[in-house]
Amino acid sequence: GAVVSQHPSWVICKSGTSVKIECRSLDFQATTMFWYRQFPKQSLMLMATSNEGSKATYEQGVEKDKFLINHASLTLSTLTVTSAHPEDSSFYICSASRSGGTEAFFGQGTRLTVV
Amino acid sequence: SQQGEEDPQALSIQEGENATMNCSYKTSINNLQWYRQNSGRGLVHLILIRSNEREKHSGRLRVTLDTSKKSSSLLITASRAADTASYFCATVNNAGNMLTFGGGTRLMVKP
Repeated sequence: GAVVSQHPSWVICKSGTSVKIECRSLDFQATTMFWYRQFPKQSLMLMATSNEGSKATYEQGVEKDKFLINHASLTLSTLTVTSAHPEDSSFYICSASRSGGTEAFFGQGTRLTVV
Repeated sequence: SQQGEEDPQALSIQEGENATMNCSYKTSINNLQWYRQNSGRGLVHLILIRSNEREKHSGRLRVTLDTSKKSSSLLITASRAADTASYFCATVNNAGNMLTFGGGTRLMVKP
């Protein structure tokens, strides 16, 4: 099966710092990657759709200047939480789809804690 | 290798054997720490090794750090069934404002 690797698994940072999360498709090319956020005991919330070589499409209510997404290659997308604050603490998950495919493969998630 | 990536992801050994877990990271660090987590419990700090140190011992634990290879290892000697837990390495950046964990190694020690 296709493997999506997300790193880091867990990060704790001081308020005001910026944190970069990587999402890599290890054995396939992913034209499109998706970034989700999950609050405790809630379902995944789509934040943005990342397309290789173009600007990400953000969902309503998601600050694009706060959550910078860069999909620089067909195997890597990054999400940078800029000037993180405690309210940004959450579980962030990416998924990737093969070029021309419909099935999405999920990374293992990143737990961000801002203190 | 990714920041704070542990290897192997799972390890099963017999009581009395030694357990070795490895950790690799990408960026420069101030220090590297190893933690233990029993199922359903919080993290317990085991040992901290600074970037200018190469080896540290604490009881049955031995930690090495190779900054040139950006890797660390945790050795548990004469393992016991009570050592069964998940072990995480975490790196602290040079600014001291970020602690990054890897995915952990699940160790099972069979009696």
